[in-house]
Amino acid sequence: AQSVAQPEDQVNVAEGNPLTVKCTYSVSGNPYLFWYVQYPNRGLQFLLKYITGDNLVKGSYGFEAEFNKSQTSFHLKKPSALVSDSALYFCAVRAPLTGGGNKLTFGTGTQLKVEL
Amino acid sequence: DSGVTQTPKHLITATGQRVTLRCSPRSGDLSVYWYQQSLDQGLQFLIQYYNGEERAKGNILERFSAQQFPDLHSELNLSSLELGDSALYFCASGESSYNEQFFGPGTRLTVL
Repeated sequence: AQSVAQPEDQVNVAEGNPLTVKCTYSVSGNPYLFWYVQYPNRGLQFLLKYITGDNLVKGSYGFEAEFNKSQTSFHLKKPSALVSDSALYFCAVRAPLTGGGNKLTFGTGTQLKVEL
Repeated sequence: DSGVTQTPKHLITATGQRVTLRCSPRSGDLSVYWYQQSLDQGLQFLIQYYNGEERAKGNILERFSAQQFPDLHSELNLSSLELGDSALYFCASGESSYNEQFFGPGTRLTVL
């Protein structure tokens, strides 16, 4: 069965510093990986995805993620954090299901706090 | 704005009652997914519909059911509600299995 682990409940970083939010996954077959962000009382917003191709994926709001097959990781990164980046971040892996369906399996989320 | 709409935003009801949550997918998306977000369970997949047909089931209770109508909007029906059903319920839509899912703003259900 597929799973996603986000080992840090919270990440604190100073504004202007680089940030990393960690994610490791377990899935049979080719992984389809996603990052979403959730602001308070809002839905999940899609940030970026890895399907195939370059291991470095660029997404919205200056975020990028690095896919590492040997380490089964898909860490989210940003070169320079902003206070407005403070939110809850979810890593997810797509899992195909019998009958042609599919679902996203999410990690537990990492609260990012960017301070001045 | 993801283009996915959900109504109502908030719902407060009593144990034993039945409620219906509504979702309209993005224009052109044939797949609709329902997820439940709670503090103890996190984000859990409930069910997927594709062009009116049930395509996949996840951790959906027998008290819960869903359907997708010819105009592609979907409804999630929750019955015999219990306190533990209090959660955020998200609908998402997508154009294919390989692409990202776009989430609506959610319906916050409170069961008293």
